[in-house]
Amino acid sequence: DSGVTQTPKHLITATGQRVTLRCSPRSGDLSVYWYQQSLDQGLQFLIQYYNGEERAKGNILERFSAQQFPDLHSELNLSSLELGDSALYFCASSQREEPRISPLHFGNGTRLTVT
Amino acid sequence: GENVEQHPSTLSVQEGDSAVIKCTYSDSASNYFPWYKQELGKRPQLIIDIRSNVGEKKDQRIAVTLNKTAKHFSLHITETQPEDSAVYFCAATPRGANNLFFGTGTRLTVIP
Repeated sequence: DSGVTQTPKHLITATGQRVTLRCSPRSGDLSVYWYQQSLDQGLQFLIQYYNGEERAKGNILERFSAQQFPDLHSELNLSSLELGDSALYFCASSQREEPRISPLHFGNGTRLTVT
Repeated sequence: GENVEQHPSTLSVQEGDSAVIKCTYSDSASNYFPWYKQELGKRPQLIIDIRSNVGEKKDQRIAVTLNKTAKHFSLHITETQPEDSAVYFCAATPRGANNLFFGTGTRLTVIP
């Protein structure tokens, strides 16, 4: 167990809908990262927060947004869902802001299926 | 930004043989190179990492080598076992960057 908790584990929804994915980082970790992994694909970086502030942005669609709360948990909001948004969404956390200083630890992911 | 290429995309080896996965990176400022293992349906797990001030690092049956001049690094697994079967991802991050840039993954199959 990595200590990173993601809920829900599975989510099935229809096109056009909006969902929220939740992540609780490991105790003591200030950084939260979100990654998207489509079927048989690599890990696409979406966004990073450090101590409540956005620090880095990747290929995140405008329909997607995220935030990190004062208790350091993070939520990823996906709206106007399309079939192509079906994927495994991973959250990762680390102690510091830069991965080279403290490694990333991944949660077990949320599998989103859009029908 | 950084671009990481990973080869091969699939690799099959007989149990007991060695496996080598290679990655190249584009940003000469990259200085941290982790490797993650992802078993089917599970989360990526860090298995080994190397920093740019080191040329090689070993941990039991796995080792990583780094060639800064050529901008490539490799994962070596010796005496492979069926439980080594997984997808392996390399990554790189430039100094000052807040993100890991991942390769596209290598699916390793160890045949008993």
